[in-house]
Amino acid sequence: DIQMTQSPSSLSASVGDRVTITCRASQSISSYLNWYQQKPGKAPKLLIYAASSLQSGVPSRFSGSGSGTDFTLTISSLQPEDFATYYCQQSYSTRTAFGQGTKLEIK
Amino acid sequence: QVQLQESGPGLVKPSQTLSLTCTVSGGSISSGGYYWSWIRQHPGKGLEWIGYIYYSGSTYYNPSLKSRVTISVDTSKNQFSLKLSSVTAADTAVYYCARSPTGVAGMFVDYWGQGTLVTVSS
Repeated sequence: DIQMTQSPSSLSASVGDRVTITCRASQSISSYLNWYQQKPGKAPKLLIYAASSLQSGVPSRFSGSGSGTDFTLTISSLQPEDFATYYCQQSYSTRTAFGQGTKLEIK
Repeated sequence: QVQLQESGPGLVKPSQTLSLTCTVSGGSISSGGYYWSWIRQHPGKGLEWIGYIYYSGSTYYNPSLKSRVTISVDTSKNQFSLKLSSVTAADTAVYYCARSPTGVAGMFVDYWGQGTLVTVSS
């Protein structure tokens, strides 16, 4: 099975900060990597698919990069509504899996 | 705008079968082009993909749950369903139904239901 490891597990930042979250796969997954945002009590929301493609309607301050085993989600300038938990997900193998999540909190 | 809505009992007794249905509106399951999934989230934890189905009836199940899971589709009602047998307290979770486009980017979810909490308890 392909294991997905996110870092950090939690992060404190301020409005306006640039934030980067990392996701590492246990083997190469090419660009089959997706990012989601989840707020408390809500379903996850797709932000980025195929490592760097921005889902329709998602603000351009969100961006994704990487290929192979190392990927990043970057928020260029944090907004109050961005404080949430972020998950990566590999879609390379049939047995798809999510990372453990990164909780982004207000400093 | 596609919408997905889960329905089913919020409380299931241990050893019984958990049954949930997802009703899809704003799009037809039988038109193809999408996989229809069940994903769960244990309280305060991460996300676990249970399995998915195509409109034709072909399925994939997470190997860790395969022996207990059945996902079916009813295109006449534009619904798909989950059955999870022999449940224990470890199956207590929020259950989401979801849609994934078929295509070259692999399995990702573009639409989610709101989720429904299922508690396993006597």
